[in-house]
Amino acid sequence: NAGVTQTPKFRILKIGQSMTLQCTQDMNHNYMYWYRQDPGMGLKLIYYSVGAGITDKGEVPNGYNVSRSTTEDFPLRLELAAPSQTSVYFCASSQRGEGGYEQYFGPGTRLTVT
Amino acid sequence: AQKVTQAQTEISVVEKEDVTLDCVYETRDTTYYLFWYKQPPSGELVFLIRRNSFDEQNEISGRYSWNFQKSTSSFNFTITASQVVDSAVYFCALSGVSSGAGSYQLTFGKGTKLSVIP
Repeated sequence: NAGVTQTPKFRILKIGQSMTLQCTQDMNHNYMYWYRQDPGMGLKLIYYSVGAGITDKGEVPNGYNVSRSTTEDFPLRLELAAPSQTSVYFCASSQRGEGGYEQYFGPGTRLTVT
Repeated sequence: AQKVTQAQTEISVVEKEDVTLDCVYETRDTTYYLFWYKQPPSGELVFLIRRNSFDEQNEISGRYSWNFQKSTSSFNFTITASQVVDSAVYFCALSGVSSGAGSYQLTFGKGTKLSVIP
């Protein structure tokens, strides 16, 4: 199993551009998550999904959108990129979501907005 | 609201020393879960341990051990005989079982950067 994969690994965007961060998992997990990690900080939840077709906002959703058309894929869309969105983005998945199940993380996407 | 505090921002130890990473948490949930993750310089997050709020037994896994004390809301992590490969950022995280996003998201501390010097 590849686990959780993310593309691209690195990206530089200009202010106002848009892009989609891809995330795929092959563990048949229903629950998927997007986090961002700012320097010297822990991760903060952007959006999560409890299954195909169901998504919901996390702690810091502004400026982002997600969709979940399949169990495997959970892309994160940045519209009108801003410097405040410079961060490392992690996608994660878990077997279930009720607190006690560990989340498996992808390798991250390092995004710079200039 | 949930909160995780890792007061130690950076720690440096000489190889073979023991080191303890502190984690203090706050939650109103009576059922909750605590985690430790390791983030090596390569950047990925590696799951180390999960502990639920009803299980206060300490756990040992090789050179790693965890001390969970509900009375002080702490979940500390000790590495015995540290090695250079232990150099990483270590995150403590908390997950509750209340409704909404709080029941799914992990609330992370800011992390402790451990440097093991050969």
